[in-house]
Amino acid sequence: QQQVKQSPQSLIVQKGGISIINCAYENTAFDYFPWYQQFPGKGPALLIAIRPDVSEKKEGRFTISFNKSAKQFSLHIMDSQPGDSATYFCAARSARQLTFGSGTQLTVLP
Amino acid sequence: DAGVIQSPRHEVTEMGQEVTLRCKPISGHNSLFWYRQTMMRGLELLIYFNNNVPIDDSGMPEDRFSAKMPNASFSTLKIQPSEPRDSAVYFCASSLAGDGHTFGSGTRLTVV
Repeated sequence: QQQVKQSPQSLIVQKGGISIINCAYENTAFDYFPWYQQFPGKGPALLIAIRPDVSEKKEGRFTISFNKSAKQFSLHIMDSQPGDSATYFCAARSARQLTFGSGTQLTVLP
Repeated sequence: DAGVIQSPRHEVTEMGQEVTLRCKPISGHNSLFWYRQTMMRGLELLIYFNNNVPIDDSGMPEDRFSAKMPNASFSTLKIQPSEPRDSAVYFCASSLAGDGHTFGSGTRLTVV
């Protein structure tokens, strides 16, 4: 019940395209849903986060869509750039602890 | 702010040796987390502290692993004795009131 399932495992997108990564959860106690971006040799960095009382949050080219009834949330990267190539993790928080998805390796082709 | 500071960045040790990883959280953050990252298992929470007190250590794999937080600005993760299967990247993260974690750059541990 603590799992967060993330898909796809890897994603290749052309420059300028839209990257979409999906996550699903079961635990209704989760109250905060962040996305992290990780470059090789670095720690994950908080990218954007949403709380379950809103259905969408946008920051620049990054948007989280949240569907509470379906227990799903997704990250959309608009106008994807080669510099966005990284591993992306979704996560969900309960009682201060984060449960992470398995990660998506995004490659944006120039 | 210098962020979460971990040391060393890389550690190579022989099987059976003691390994100590160190972490300095962001000043003012009251929660500290130790994670382990491997290709096979992804990011795993090992233990977390709130206000320097260990709250949940259910992710610590074995008694060979121990963690301490003697004060608000320092934590250690110790492995004794180390084994090759402990090879991984270990991350420390801190947060305020459980919101978005700020991760350190990690310690890449190799046990040969």
